Amino acid sequence: QSGLTQPASVSGSPGQSITISCTGSSSDIGGYKYVCWYQQHPGKAPKLLIYEVSNRPSGVPNRFSGSKSGNTASLTISGLQAEDEAHYYCSSYTNTFTLVVFGAGTKLTVL
Amino acid sequence: EVQLVESGGGLVQPGGSLRLSCAASGFTFNNYYMTWVRQAPGKGLEWVANIHQDGSEKYYVDSLRGRFTISRDNAKNSLYLQMSSLRAEDTAVYYCVRELPGRIFDYWGQGTLVTVSS
Repeated sequence: QSGLTQPASVSGSPGQSITISCTGSSSDIGGYKYVCWYQQHPGKAPKLLIYEVSNRPSGVPNRFSGSKSGNTASLTISGLQAEDEAHYYCSSYTNTFTLVVFGAGTKLTVL
Repeated sequence: EVQLVESGGGLVQPGGSLRLSCAASGFTFNNYYMTWVRQAPGKGLEWVANIHQDGSEKYYVDSLRGRFTISRDNAKNSLYLQMSSLRAEDTAVYYCVRELPGRIFDYWGQGTLVTVSS
């Protein structure tokens, strides 16, 4: 089964804003509000960053925001900080047997 | 504090079997779906399987159905993954994950590494 499509890498300087896209289909992102974003630092477990397209769990800074348009979801990080350097994965509920599909991940480099 | 602690990973030969365990604490275990997600070295995340709160419903990724079995023991606050006929491509870190409605994975364990190699 095909996953969601993310750019392999993005970069930005401290203080700047970056956006990571995540493209799927009407069977997943386009059809449901259950889009999530996860942050993973090297050697660590993923951490939930955004759920239901744009909601932040308690403790996640409001520099992280999510949105969706059609079959594409986006994660925006404003005021980039060095500690934001990590891999970011999107996921979506899907109406296929897979139940949930992930993107391949985007490596964020803070220059 | 929610804690998920996996164990049982290690080196196994192709065709072998392994049982992963996950000890949960800090929340009412039988109120939640639980999930296994894996990550091959240097690769992305792959959902493996999940299980209903009472164990009555189980779902698997198509490619693994028949080789992997997910189960839980609510009396012991534990989640399990029985893996058989293991292949090199099953080499990965396996994460135990708490699941919210909508396939939202809100808490992750630290992971346990399974290496399938001769």
